[in-house]
Amino acid sequence: QKEVEQDPGPLSVPEGAIVSLNCTYSNSAFQYFMWYRQYSRKGPELLMYTYSSGNKEDGRFTAQVDKSSKYISLFIRDSQPSDSATYLCAITRDKLVFGAGTILRVKS
Amino acid sequence: DAMVIQNPRYQVTQFGKPVTLSCSQTLNHNVMYWYQQKSSQAPKLLFHYYDKDFNNEADTPDNFQSRRPNTSFCFLDIRSPGLGDAAMYLCATSRPGTGPSYEQYFGPGTRLTVT
Repeated sequence: QKEVEQDPGPLSVPEGAIVSLNCTYSNSAFQYFMWYRQYSRKGPELLMYTYSSGNKEDGRFTAQVDKSSKYISLFIRDSQPSDSATYLCAITRDKLVFGAGTILRVKS
Repeated sequence: DAMVIQNPRYQVTQFGKPVTLSCSQTLNHNVMYWYQQKSSQAPKLLFHYYDKDFNNEADTPDNFQSRRPNTSFCFLDIRSPGLGDAAMYLCATSRPGTGPSYEQYFGPGTRLTVT
């Protein structure tokens, strides 16, 4: 079993839709929960991170962590074509452990 | 702008021919990482430097080595590339103690092709 599981997609949505991206993890010792965005032919860039269970909002993005279920989510409101990218969840124990990434395509 | 730079962006090498990938940073971060990312897969940590201390992941093949001559530069050496080593190689940096423990800043990657 992989430590972090993420549905690879691709996920295709119309512009303006609400997008939900999800990961599950197996190790309850994980501490920080992060979302990275990776555009084609670029390195990942940190979008958001959170430490505790609950929600954290930043503009159109909301990160949600449910430690009891070992489940993390990223919601994107009013999605834009510029949001088209691969979204990687990443979780820390003694190092970053990445999910495989979900490819998101927002159609205009 | 402070950043992580990787050269070259694209590298083609022959099977078994040694190749070196380069990473430099202007962030003055003391930790530098090398990841391997194959198509549609998660980035896989190969090793990292904490200052001059080298930390190898247990499952990193001996074929992969690294050098860090100073704070700004780090190199990835692949001694005898095989077809299975074709991948995107990502360099990242972090400065422990600020923000999340493992907030990492990535370069754009070097895409390695092995013929």
